Amino acid sequence: DVKVTQSSRYLVKRTGEKVFLECVQDMDHENMFWYRQDPGLGLRLIYFSYDVKMKEKGDIPEGYSVSREKKERFSLILESASTNQTSMYLCASRGWKDIFSYEQYFGPGTRLTVT
Amino acid sequence: AQKITQTQPGMFVQEKEAVTLDCTYDTSDPSYGLFWYKQPSSGEMIFLIYQGSYDQQNATEGRYSLNFQKARKSANLVISASQLGDSAMYFCAMREGDSNSGYALNFGKGTSLLVTP
Repeated sequence: DVKVTQSSRYLVKRTGEKVFLECVQDMDHENMFWYRQDPGLGLRLIYFSYDVKMKEKGDIPEGYSVSREKKERFSLILESASTNQTSMYLCASRGWKDIFSYEQYFGPGTRLTVT
Repeated sequence: AQKITQTQPGMFVQEKEAVTLDCTYDTSDPSYGLFWYKQPSSGEMIFLIYQGSYDQQNATEGRYSLNFQKARKSANLVISASQLGDSAMYFCAMREGDSNSGYALNFGKGTSLLVTP
């Protein structure tokens, strides 16, 4: 079974703090994604990565950066957390060999509160 | 512009009845795929069903079927014989293009389904 894990289920941080959200997958997937989920807005793409050290901006990259130094790990960084970044953050991965299903596998999510 | 539209913020259905969740999409790419995911209150996203734009037949997976009407650009999810455990948020999503470079999904805003006894 594909497993995507996220470092924390719940996180509380203060305004201005630097925040790291970690995502690890164990299926040797090339593609990894960070989404943000807010009520009434669905999931919105923040960043994604094709492969190690590769990254592309999604629809809402402002205020975020990412790092992919190893294939299995994709980190989302909030350089200076703000209250409007309070949200649920979901990580997903997909392998190039899934050419017929295109399915993305999701982690359990991190609910971040910035106070 | 919104690429995926789910017009029903909330739906109710009685146990054992069938329910249809609506989804319309917007793309000019001839190759695309449509997904439905379920998100229970616990938060995990569960993949339900997938339909490719070139697939000739509507996708089915157990009690889930996708009513794909290409000309109308709609991809409605039909759940037959609803169960209490079907109560959740349901998201329609689309991937565009055919590249294996891992295009992200565009998600709708979701429909909250409540199954009542």
